[in-house]
Amino acid sequence: GAVVSQHPSWVICKSGTSVKIECRSLDFQATTMFWYRQFPKQSLMLMATSNEGSKATYEQGVEKDKFLINHASLTLSTLTVTSAHPEDSSFYICSSSEALYEQYFGPGTRLTVT
Amino acid sequence: GESVGLHLPTLSVQEGDNSIINCAYSNSASDYFIWYKQESGKGPQFIIDIRSNMDKRQGQRVTVLLNKTVKHLSLQIAATQPGDSAVYFCAEKGKAAGNKLTFGGGTRVLVKP
Repeated sequence: GAVVSQHPSWVICKSGTSVKIECRSLDFQATTMFWYRQFPKQSLMLMATSNEGSKATYEQGVEKDKFLINHASLTLSTLTVTSAHPEDSSFYICSSSEALYEQYFGPGTRLTVT
Repeated sequence: GESVGLHLPTLSVQEGDNSIINCAYSNSASDYFIWYKQESGKGPQFIIDIRSNMDKRQGQRVTVLLNKTVKHLSLQIAATQPGDSAVYFCAEKGKAAGNKLTFGGGTRVLVKP
């Protein structure tokens, strides 16, 4: 299957700082990328959908000014957690899609805010 | 809103036995269903999918059954192995949802040697 990478795989930051997470589709052009958040022992929760070259669509309850998403190319989307706080500590997972049904997931990024 | 849920949070199974993981969905407009396996600290891994015009699909050691009448989805794993220990999620996609997936709550499968 298609390969999606994320960087970094884990990050620790201080409260109030911003963190950028990258999601790359390595062997296909992703017209759509999705960002999920997963708290321990919970399911994946969709945060936003981003299409290349357009603004991301955020799910209800997700602050667009706090979670900045950029999808500048068909192979790269970034999620920036601005002014991070301990409650933002979570496992962030991206997925990429080039077709209507297939969705390929990245390995996730563990964010810990101290 | 619409949701996808699971009946059992944890399933312990003896190595070599078959596993059955169940999932209930509430969106009758869903037309595509997927099972994912997630190991600790990793992203979801695609296992098998099924479209709403089918009621059964088989893969290698796995079978997905779809009962649209009662909105129920199941994953059967044959001859469960230690490497099958993980959390399993069902996900569904509705026709009007673009390519957005809604995930169920997850079932942890523990394979006992």
